[in-house]
Formats: sequence, structure tokens, C-alpha cells
Amino acid sequence: DQQVKQNSPSLSVQEGRISILNCDYTNSMFDYFLWYKKYPAEGPTFLISISSIKDKNEDGRFTVFLNKSAKHLSLHIVPSQPGDSAVYFCAATYSGAGSYQLTFGKGTKLSVIP
Amino acid sequence: DAGVTQSPTHLIKTRGQQVTLRCSPKSGHDTVSWYQQALGQGPQFIFQYYEEEERQRGNFPDRFSGHQFPNYSSELNVNALLLGDSALYLCASSLVSGPTGELFFGEGSRLTVL
Repeated sequence: DQQVKQNSPSLSVQEGRISILNCDYTNSMFDYFLWYKKYPAEGPTFLISISSIKDKNEDGRFTVFLNKSAKHLSLHIVPSQPGDSAVYFCAATYSGAGSYQLTFGKGTKLSVIP
Repeated sequence: DAGVTQSPTHLIKTRGQQVTLRCSPKSGHDTVSWYQQALGQGPQFIFQYYEEEERQRGNFPDRFSGHQFPNYSSELNVNALLLGDSALYLCASSLVSGPTGELFFGEGSRLTVL
């Protein structure tokens, strides 16, 4: 049973437009969420995170929104650039003591078209 | 400053064999986690090591074992290989006192079991 779901395997966006990547989770224990980006032949790299006590976190062109009641989060990239083309993984964890693992979604492949 | 390094990058084994994968964490990091990424899936948590002990384990059989050395480097061992063990094995390092969930990943070891 997938606890973190990314239902869109791929997304294509024109350069300069907004990219919106979505993620849903089912485990109510999750209280910390992260996005990782992965280029081919490289390991995933941390992009941005959000705690469940917030509903928005912004870092430059990247903003993550969290809707706890809907168990849904999204990553907005504005404006999108060709270098943003990569696979984006949503991940979740419980920040309390005794939990050290991240649960990842299957990823969404973003293609930014010049 | 060297990031996370893994070896070997690629290897091919046959069913029933044993494999050892190696990981050197990012300089200054004290915690190592291992993830398995099957084709088309997100990374799945295997286990995490801190202070040379396994701190938490994911849903993987005992055929998967690991070790952390005093210099914080780590090994992942898989015995009695199955075809289904074919995957990218990712090592990630972090600081036990670092931000929640922020892992630094290596490029991975691609294991093919024939």
C-alpha cells in the first residue's frame, strides 16, 4: 500500500511558465514533507521541505504548499527553466523520536520545453 | 569537499550469489542510510546506521544486512540474491543533529541479478 502517491508520472511545461507537481499521502503520522530532484545518473538532491505546522514554504523559484486536511502537497516552480527538467520525488516522514526513514513517492518526470 | 561516494557503480551477479556495496559519507556526516530504488519506483528505505549500530530497518528480509565502521563509512550486504534484488542501491548520509529528512545521496550502485 503506497503511503505517498505521485499520480502523474510525467509533466511537460513551457519555459517561463509555472510547473505544478502534486503529491498525496495517506499516513496521518507524517508531519514533515520534502521534495527531492533527481537528474539521470545522479543521486537525488534535496530541494525544499515543509513542516505540518505550516501551509507554505518558499525558496526562490520553488514553493511548497501543504493542505493537511486533504493530505495533499504541491510543488510550484515559477518560472520554469530547462535546467529544471528532472524527476521530482515527494517524500514524507515523522519528525518525532524513533523515525529515521523517508517514504518516497514514485516520482514525476518534469520536462521544461525551451 | 567530497560528497557521498559509492562503489561499485555497476555490477552483475547471478541468483544465489552474495554482494557487498560500499559507501563513504559526506565529510562531517555521521549517519548513513541505504535505499533501494527499483525501476519506475521511488527509493525504498532499507536501514539506517548511526554509531556503528542499525537504528531503524525498513521492510526488507534478513538477507539484507549492513555495517558501519568507525570512520562512518558503511557497507550493504545482500545474500542469496534473487532476480527481484535488481535495482539501484542508494546510500545517503546526514548529520544526526541535522535538519529533518535532509539527506545527501550518492550516485548509487546499479545491481543486476541474472
